[in-house]
Amino acid sequence: DQQVKQNSPSLSVQEGRISILNCDYTNSMFDYFLWYKKYPAEGPTFLISISSIKDKNEDGRFTVFLNKSAKHLSLHIVPSQPGDSAVYFCAASRYGQNFVFGPGTRLSVLP
Amino acid sequence: NAGVTQTPKFQVLKTGQSMTLQCAQDMNHEYMSWYRQDPGMGLRLIHYSVGAGITDQGEVPNGYNVSRSTTEDFPLRLLSAAPSQTSVYFCASSETGTRWLFGSGTQLSVL
Repeated sequence: DQQVKQNSPSLSVQEGRISILNCDYTNSMFDYFLWYKKYPAEGPTFLISISSIKDKNEDGRFTVFLNKSAKHLSLHIVPSQPGDSAVYFCAASRYGQNFVFGPGTRLSVLP
Repeated sequence: NAGVTQTPKFQVLKTGQSMTLQCAQDMNHEYMSWYRQDPGMGLRLIHYSVGAGITDQGEVPNGYNVSRSTTEDFPLRLLSAAPSQTSVYFCASSETGTRWLFGSGTQLSVL
């Protein structure tokens, strides 16, 4: 049973609009979360992180929201750009070690 | 260029063959890990290391061996390749164990 779920395999968004990628986890002991972006034929690259002591973290166009009671986090990209088209992975861990990754969501930003 | 270097990029094996996937980093990172990525399953941790001489198993270690004789290198050995090991393999390193830098991957097919 997957401990980290990304229930939308794919998402299409118009350029300039908001992209919202969702992630759910089952282990209440997870306390540190990451989002990675992956282009084809490349390794994942770090995007943004959040600790369980926060409910929001921003970095430029990217914002991650954490709802601990719902065991849910989301990544908002505003405004979306064609270069954001990639697969996005959510990852969760306890104490920031041995991350468990979700299956990924493929984002397509349409010009 | 600093980073995580994986070789080879592509490999085809026959069932029962053995081989070593190479991983090297030049950032003096203590933490290194190996993941495999399969469709619909995200990245799963195979083995990891928190420093030279120290390794431990991840989520899916069966059929794989690792060693960490130096800080720079973390090779992954397939002892007797099986079709179930067909996957894309990623090596990653980290200074703190929280934010990971990934290599570009090795695509392995076992026939």
